[in-house]
Amino acid sequence: NAGVTQTPKFRVLKTGQSMTLLCAQDMNHEYMYWYRQDPGMGLRLIHYSVGEGTTAKGEVPDGYNVSRLKKQNFLLGLESAAPSQTSVYFCASRTWTGGYYGYTFGSGTRLTVV
Amino acid sequence: GQQLNQSPQSMFIQEGEDVSMNCTSSSIFNTWLWYKQDPGEGPVLLIALYKAGELTSNGRLTAQFGITRKDSFLNISASIPSDVGIYFCAGPTGTASKLTFGTGTRLQVTL
Repeated sequence: NAGVTQTPKFRVLKTGQSMTLLCAQDMNHEYMYWYRQDPGMGLRLIHYSVGEGTTAKGEVPDGYNVSRLKKQNFLLGLESAAPSQTSVYFCASRTWTGGYYGYTFGSGTRLTVV
Repeated sequence: GQQLNQSPQSMFIQEGEDVSMNCTSSSIFNTWLWYKQDPGEGPVLLIALYKAGELTSNGRLTAQFGITRKDSFLNISASIPSDVGIYFCAGPTGTASKLTFGTGTRLQVTL
């Protein structure tokens, strides 16, 4: 099925551990985004990519790194997890066709850092 | 950065009632998007608005793009239990059309 797939769906990390969240899309979209969602704050942009090999910082990039080695994959890394990074992480990809924005979101990764 | 403020924060309504929520910004947006998020899922697009003053419907949902381009409104008529969720407004900004999201309106529907 076409869409955005995020793995893993759930993860518990200890403070200081590292991990990588994977986002994969099969719609040939150029633009991909990583957001985090905290209670009462909506979704905030962490990093984004406008194409293979390119990445840029969003609103809350500190403590995260990203890579876009292949067009279909956008990886979000936490080098040294902190409790403040406990959140739900959403990946999205976007197309722009016929004058309409077409964002597609994954179902999220729930991360708890203890 | 830009902020989108939504009100109300939460609503408890009875099935069959109509619902209104709004989103305001301190700066102009050229596009307004309304999303719904079910528990454990990512946001799903409900309605997209591209012109100031535009009024667009999607079934029981109607959204309007404010003429000042600093606000938008979403109405749900004759609510049903599956309308439960969090509703977000969002607007694309910048060269990469990064989405700025509102703080969300949580809707609860009682029978």
